[in-house]
Amino acid sequence: DAGITQSPRYKITETGRQVTLMCHQTWSHSYMFWYRQDLGHGLRLIYYSAAADITDKGEVPDGYVVSRSKTENFPLTLESATRSQTSVYFCASSEGQALRVYFGPGTRLTVT
Amino acid sequence: EDQVTQSPEALRLQEGESSSLNCSYTVSGLRGLFWYRQDPGKGPEFLFTLYSAGEEKEKERLKATLTKKESFLHITAPKPEDSATYLCAVLAASGGSYIPTFGRGTSLIVHP
Repeated sequence: DAGITQSPRYKITETGRQVTLMCHQTWSHSYMFWYRQDLGHGLRLIYYSAAADITDKGEVPDGYVVSRSKTENFPLTLESATRSQTSVYFCASSEGQALRVYFGPGTRLTVT
Repeated sequence: EDQVTQSPEALRLQEGESSSLNCSYTVSGLRGLFWYRQDPGKGPEFLFTLYSAGEEKEKERLKATLTKKESFLHITAPKPEDSATYLCAVLAASGGSYIPTFGRGTSLIVHP
């Protein structure tokens, strides 16, 4: 049972480049989330999705794009990476509202 | 304005020295509150969900309680392996959904 996986686990990119972080879950959970975690800020929500083809902004969506054409996948794209987007990104999923949220292992992204 | 505030930010305990972590929240109409444990370099790991004031959940040395304004995570006779960051999240309304909003966490170190 793979659960929720993220790739790559580590990524270094240059300012201005486009980067896509992948997230895949094997449970067919309806809800999926992208959080970023930074020292002093904790986990902040970037985007979430309640179902395939339904996405909505979170607290810090600027500079990010998401899509969800299939229930199991929820990629996050940084259209033009900036140094302020250096962070650890966590994908998560949940079977429904108010239910336990499962987190992936995270992707550590460095923008130089 | 933070909806979820955790205190203290950091806590050092001696093995066997019981203590409590606090999570206070300002959301109205709480739909649920989560506690997670996070080890360095890993994704948050689910501990408890609390849904209503007065509810309590226990797991080994951990006990979570909930009131109308805050939640406590009590750690009884902690061991070094309990060292981790403990995260609290409340389900806050976002559009038509209730989405986990996290506090900044409490970093716990238990010395042998």
